[in-house]
Amino acid sequence: GAVVSQHPSRVICKSGTSVKIECRSLDFQATTMFWYRQFPKQSLMLMATSNEGSKATYEQGVEKDKFLINHASLTLSTLTVTSAHPEDSSFYICSASRGQMNTEAFFGQGTRLTVV
Amino acid sequence: GESVGLHLPTLSVQEGDNSIINCAYSNSASDYFIWYKQESGKGPQFIIDIRSNMDKRQGQRVTVLLNKTVKHLSLQIAATQPGDSAVYFCAERGSYIPTFGRGTSLIVHP
Repeated sequence: GAVVSQHPSRVICKSGTSVKIECRSLDFQATTMFWYRQFPKQSLMLMATSNEGSKATYEQGVEKDKFLINHASLTLSTLTVTSAHPEDSSFYICSASRGQMNTEAFFGQGTRLTVV
Repeated sequence: GESVGLHLPTLSVQEGDNSIINCAYSNSASDYFIWYKQESGKGPQFIIDIRSNMDKRQGQRVTVLLNKTVKHLSLQIAATQPGDSAVYFCAERGSYIPTFGRGTSLIVHP
């Protein structure tokens, strides 16, 4: 299967700072990337969908100014958590798709964000 | 897509038993379904998929059954092993956005 690399895998930051998480598709062109947030023992909650070269589409309740998403190339999308607070601590996961319907999305290994 | 942020149900089995994990989906227009396995602290991994023109598909030790009439999907794992312990999610793709089910935590006892 295709490989999606997410970096960093773990990050600890101070409250009020910003953190950038990268999601790269290593061996295919990802027309669409998805960003999820996952709390312990819960399902994946879709935060936003990003298509290369256009603005991300955010799910209801997700603050676009808080969670900045950039999808500048077909192999890279970034999620920046701005002015992070302890309640932003979570497991963030990206996935990448070739953008075609009825094809699987490939997941990164996730980023554990802890805001202290 | 919308995921349900509820605590996960748990299925406990003995090593060697067969496991059946169930999933109900909501979008009757979905025509592609995937099962993912997520180990603690990792991203989901693809296990098996099925298209809506099929009602059964088999992989290595895993079988997915699809019942479109009642919008139900199941994952069967044969001869469950301790390494199968993880959270299992079903996902439907009726559009470009995959929608995840609630997930089931599978615990395999040696």
